[in-house]
Amino acid sequence: EAGVTQFPSHSVIEKGQTVTLRCDPISGHDNLYWYRRVMGKEIKFLLHFVKESKQDESGMPNNRFLAERTGGTYSTLKVQPAELEDSGVYFCASSLNPGRAGGPLVTQYFGPGTRLLVL
Amino acid sequence: DQQVKQNSPSLSVQEGRISILNCDYTNSMFDYFLWYKKYPAEGPTFLISISSIKDKNEDGRFTVFLNKSAKHLSLHIVPSQPGDSAVYFCAASVLGGSYIPTFGRGTSLIVHP
Repeated sequence: EAGVTQFPSHSVIEKGQTVTLRCDPISGHDNLYWYRRVMGKEIKFLLHFVKESKQDESGMPNNRFLAERTGGTYSTLKVQPAELEDSGVYFCASSLNPGRAGGPLVTQYFGPGTRLLVL
Repeated sequence: DQQVKQNSPSLSVQEGRISILNCDYTNSMFDYFLWYKKYPAEGPTFLISISSIKDKNEDGRFTVFLNKSAKHLSLHIVPSQPGDSAVYFCAASVLGGSYIPTFGRGTSLIVHP
């Protein structure tokens, strides 16, 4: 079974440009999450989709970030315009539904990440 | 303000010895704790977890200990193997609450042959 895939693996852009990251979750996983890790820091939550709906976007830094999941399959995260502080590794993860036991008990499967460098 | 702290950025251990990775948390609402392992150029993978009703959970060479009063948990790897060399992230959640784990900054473990 294919895992979570992310594209591109690396992206180097100049400040002010636009970048779009893509995530393909594991087939059948309704839950899709975006995280970001700035070098040496913690992995921080950005947002959570359940199918095509945004369940929680409390971690999105500002309105330069736009996430979509049309059709409830793959997701895109667009940064426009990119700033220097947006550099980092963007991880996507997916999981099955938590059920009544609660979300943390459901394993999140992470993709390899997209390494974004804004110059 | 970090709610999950891993104060050792790196740890070096000899093959065959015990590796102990530490994690402290500040939010007393956390009641479910996870460890993730991350190899270079890969995403984190779930390793082991523990809920606050337990103080120990073991899975093969990996054991997680939880000290709720001290708000401290540790991951023990015995015996350590070179393939264990990776970055280990501690994470914490609230069961029945937020499904989103709060991560620490990670500890880079190097196991020397």
